[in-house]
Amino acid sequence: DSGVTQTPKHLITATGQRVTLRCSPRSGDLSVYWYQQSLDQGLQFLIQYYNGEERAKGNILERFSAQQFPDLHSELNLSSLELGDSALYFCASSVGRGYQPQHFGDGTRLSIL
Amino acid sequence: AQTVTQSQPEMSVQEAETVTLSCTYDTSESDYYLFWYKQPPSRQMILVIRQEAYKQQNATENRFSVNFQKAAKSFSLKISDSQLGDAAMYFCAYRWEGAQKLVFGQGTRLTINP
Repeated sequence: DSGVTQTPKHLITATGQRVTLRCSPRSGDLSVYWYQQSLDQGLQFLIQYYNGEERAKGNILERFSAQQFPDLHSELNLSSLELGDSALYFCASSVGRGYQPQHFGDGTRLSIL
Repeated sequence: AQTVTQSQPEMSVQEAETVTLSCTYDTSESDYYLFWYKQPPSRQMILVIRQEAYKQQNATENRFSVNFQKAAKSFSLKISDSQLGDAAMYFCAYRWEGAQKLVFGQGTRLTINP
């Protein structure tokens, strides 16, 4: 158990819809990262938050947004969903500095029908 | 741009044997970190081993060890005494000191034959 909690584990929805993925980081970790794992793109970094503020942005679509709340949990919002958004979405957390590795949650499997 | 390449899409090994997974990376940075993550069928991403670029000594974690060749930008993972539970996708990942995001390779699927 990594200590990072992601909900829900599975999500099935239709094109054009909007979903919210939730992540609770490990106790003591200030930084949250979102990654997308798809068959064609592999594991891609989306966005990072550190103590409530956005720190880095990767290949995140404009239809996607995220935030980190005062209790440090984070949400990834995906809107106007397309078939190509079907993927496994991982949240990871770390202390956010130095050498410390990122610990991953179990992921949310998003299926767009 | 930093890139990570895993040239072996699939590998297989007999139980109790030793296997080495390859990883090369491209970077112009001098301070960075390298990681191997394991993703079993349960899909979790589990940290296996990590290496700081400034350390010449290769990292070791029980049956897992790395061969870090900084000049060659190579970071291979050796698994000794392979066990059935080692069957998984293995991802090599890179992070440089000035950033927090991980850059992943495409992965190597490891099969353990009983």
